Amino acid sequence: EIVLTQSPATLSLSPGERATLSCRASQSITKYLAWYQQKPGQAPRLLIYDTSNRATGIPTRFSGSGSGTDFTLTINSLEPEDFAVYYCQQRSNWLSFGGGTKVEIK
Amino acid sequence: EVQLVESGGGLVQPGGSLRLSCATSGFTFSSYAMSWVRQAPGKGLEWVSGISGSGDRPFYADSVRGRFTISRDNSKNTLHLQVKSLRAEDTAIYYCAISGPFGGVIVLSYFDYWGQGVLVTVSS
Repeated sequence: EIVLTQSPATLSLSPGERATLSCRASQSITKYLAWYQQKPGQAPRLLIYDTSNRATGIPTRFSGSGSGTDFTLTINSLEPEDFAVYYCQQRSNWLSFGGGTKVEIK
Repeated sequence: EVQLVESGGGLVQPGGSLRLSCATSGFTFSSYAMSWVRQAPGKGLEWVSGISGSGDRPFYADSVRGRFTISRDNSKNTLHLQVKSLRAEDTAIYYCAISGPFGGVIVLSYFDYWGQGVLVTVSS
């Protein structure tokens, strides 16, 4: 089983700042990582797939990078609607999700 | 417009059963693999089960294998999850989701469309 560890658990930032979220895999998953955004009471929304590909309709301020075991989601210039919980997910070996990072307003 | 609408949730006693359904529209259902993903209250996401577009290849997480059965009715554009021998730890919102964004061929993939979820509560 591949375990994904997200850090930090909570990120307190102000609108306009850059958010950097981390996801670390317990073994190499090459490029097979996605990121989701989830707001309270809503289903998750796919943001990034295969490390760095933005899903349809996702703003360019969202970007992903990494390979192997270490991955990063960067949100440039946070908008008010970006404050949410973010999850990473791997598809290299079965499927698993990270525990999430909450991006909250400072 | 893609729509996924789950139903069939509710309160059930430990050891009980339910049948969850996901009615879909707005895409060619039989061409897309589908999955169920759950989220316990206040917790993270857990993939539960997936199935190929034709319905001949089901996959299960270890935590539910032998207790849950995924199926689909391509004539009715509907996905099902039969859940049995329920435990308190199965309490969660259950989402159906479309495997994507690679055209739905890969069952164990990411999820680019999600329903709003249905709550299953296992309690005596």
